[in-house]
Amino acid sequence: KAGVTQTPRYLIKTRGQQVTLSCSPISGHRSVSWYQQTPGQGLQFLFEYFSETQRNKGNFPGRFSGRQFSNSRSEMNVSTLELGDSALYLCASSFVAGLSYGYTFGSGTRLTVV
Amino acid sequence: SQQGEEDPQALSIQEGENATMNCSYKTSINNLQWYRQNSGRGLVHLILIRSNEREKHSGRLRVTLDTSKKSSSLLITASRAADTASYFCATGGEETSGSRLTFGEGTQLTVNP
Repeated sequence: KAGVTQTPRYLIKTRGQQVTLSCSPISGHRSVSWYQQTPGQGLQFLFEYFSETQRNKGNFPGRFSGRQFSNSRSEMNVSTLELGDSALYLCASSFVAGLSYGYTFGSGTRLTVV
Repeated sequence: SQQGEEDPQALSIQEGENATMNCSYKTSINNLQWYRQNSGRGLVHLILIRSNEREKHSGRLRVTLDTSKKSSSLLITASRAADTASYFCATGGEETSGSRLTFGEGTQLTVNP
């Protein structure tokens, strides 16, 4: 079965712009969570969506937002981009939100802000 | 912020040798997971160990958990060049807290042919 699909794979944006990243979870998975990975801060949780509702949110400014659609696909948006937003953004899906199973991650979107 | 630390930060070994990575965490947990990441790509789930388990095996992987010391170790036996990757431990993902995983800083493993 298809894995978690993230688009686009690479993105270059200018400071001040906004960006939207997309994540399609494994078919049947209803939970989607997002992580930011940078060399300095490592892997940090952004937020989690389950059945179109944000269930958990990490410690990120309001410029970072997301949503989930009825087909479980999720998008995250970053407005007013800063150089420090350059990172690998990873999304993960699971069958049941928060259940103690491993999560399936996508290959990520590499965002570069110039 | 990271849950804890992984040790060592980097490890270089020869093919066929065993690799051991350690992870410490700060809070009480119900389970701990290990993930592998190849060269800045997505994370691959390797193994999950529950707090009432002390050791778990999966193929060439052996994970131990010591909840009294808040630490875990991942052993890869008979390593191969294809095992070259970063390895992360993660806690969280419980139903009560939602799927919020907290990752360690990772160990970069290099297996030389």
